[in-house]
Amino acid sequence: QKEVEQDPGPLSVPEGAIVSLNCTYSNSAFQYFMWYRQYSRKGPELLMYTYSSGNKEDGRFTAQVDKSSKYISLFIRDSQPSDSATYLCAMSMIYNQGGKLIFGQGTELSVKP
Amino acid sequence: ETGVTQSPTHLIKTRGQQVTLRCSSQSGHNTVSWYQQALGQGPQFIFQYYREEENGRGNFPPRFSGLQFPNYSSELNVNALELDDSALYLCASSLQGRSGYTFGSGTRLTVV
Repeated sequence: QKEVEQDPGPLSVPEGAIVSLNCTYSNSAFQYFMWYRQYSRKGPELLMYTYSSGNKEDGRFTAQVDKSSKYISLFIRDSQPSDSATYLCAMSMIYNQGGKLIFGQGTELSVKP
Repeated sequence: ETGVTQSPTHLIKTRGQQVTLRCSSQSGHNTVSWYQQALGQGPQFIFQYYREEENGRGNFPPRFSGLQFPNYSSELNVNALELDDSALYLCASSLQGRSGYTFGSGTRLTVV
């Protein structure tokens, strides 16, 4: 069993839809949870970062962490064609020290005009 | 800020050869990590360097090695290349003790 599981998709939605992306994990020691966006032929770009359980909102993006269920989510409101990319969840036990991020497989999202 | 730059962008090598990939960290970042991303997969942690010393390593064999230089630039070396080493290699820099990793665009390595 992988430490982090993510539905690879692909996921296709119409413009303006609400998108829900999810990851589950098995290691209860994870404390830091991140969502990255990766466009084709580019490196991952940090979208959201959350420490422990709770919600965090940034514009059209909302990240949720439920440590009791070992489940994290990213919601995208009013999705745009420019949101079409691969979304990667990542998590770590110690943020920025020791450096080891554990990534999910990535979900490929396509937003159709 | 200049971001993280990696070179070359693409590379084709023959099985058994050796390869060196290079990374220039974001200005002021003293920590660099390397990741391997196979097609359709998430990145996998190879190792991290802080102040020119390795301070974390993932599940990769010793033929994967690295260096960090005083100017915080970095190299990833892979010896005895195997077909399964074909992947996108990503470099990420950060400032120790602060949040945030900045990834480069990667080097696409193909082993034939």
